[in-house]
Amino acid sequence: GEKVEQHESTLSVREGDSAVINCTYTDTASSYFPWYKQEAGKSLHFVIDIRSNVDRKQSQRLTVLLDKKAKRFSLHITATQPEDSAIYFCAASQGGRALIFGTGTTVSVSP
Amino acid sequence: NAGVIQTPRHKVTGKGQEATLWCEPISGHSAVFWYRQTIVQGLEFLTYFRNQAPIDDSGMPKERFSAQMPNQSHSTLKIQSTQPQDSAVYLCASSLTTNSDYTFGSGTRLLVI
Repeated sequence: GEKVEQHESTLSVREGDSAVINCTYTDTASSYFPWYKQEAGKSLHFVIDIRSNVDRKQSQRLTVLLDKKAKRFSLHITATQPEDSAIYFCAASQGGRALIFGTGTTVSVSP
Repeated sequence: NAGVIQTPRHKVTGKGQEATLWCEPISGHSAVFWYRQTIVQGLEFLTYFRNQAPIDDSGMPKERFSAQMPNQSHSTLKIQSTQPQDSAVYLCASSLTTNSDYTFGSGTRLLVI
């Protein structure tokens, strides 16, 4: 089955800098790649996704890149703010199957 | 829209007792998922339903865990003979389709002592 590896377990950035989180997946049939954010003491909520028919998607300060050849996708956060501090999870799935999640990256944005 | 509702928020059970966790998905969502979150294992997929039918339970520990979705407005996860290693946050999520973003509930924190 699918396995998703999230390469950075922690990431510390200064406010205003950029943060990048990288994930790789194993199943070439995977076609849906969302990202979720979990703030302290709260549940996960959806932030952005990308499907395999495109290689880039942007939403405000968030950009997701997908490299299907390398089976790699990444989340880029620009102009980081303190409220971006959270655990970020990448995930992957193929049609009809449940999401498989990475292990999470704790992002800390310091003033 | 109250989102995905999970009850109870916290549950403490003695080793060997049964625990039943409830989930009310968002109305109109066809897919319902159960995950387990621990510090050590991260987010583990357990099982999911589509239009109330069980589709994939490959993540469920065999024998003691079972899940049902008797109607479109709720799903239950039952753990029999609970063990300390079952202690975790159990998350329920629903989505419009299997391949769209999930809305997670707040989770049930289960502690087996």
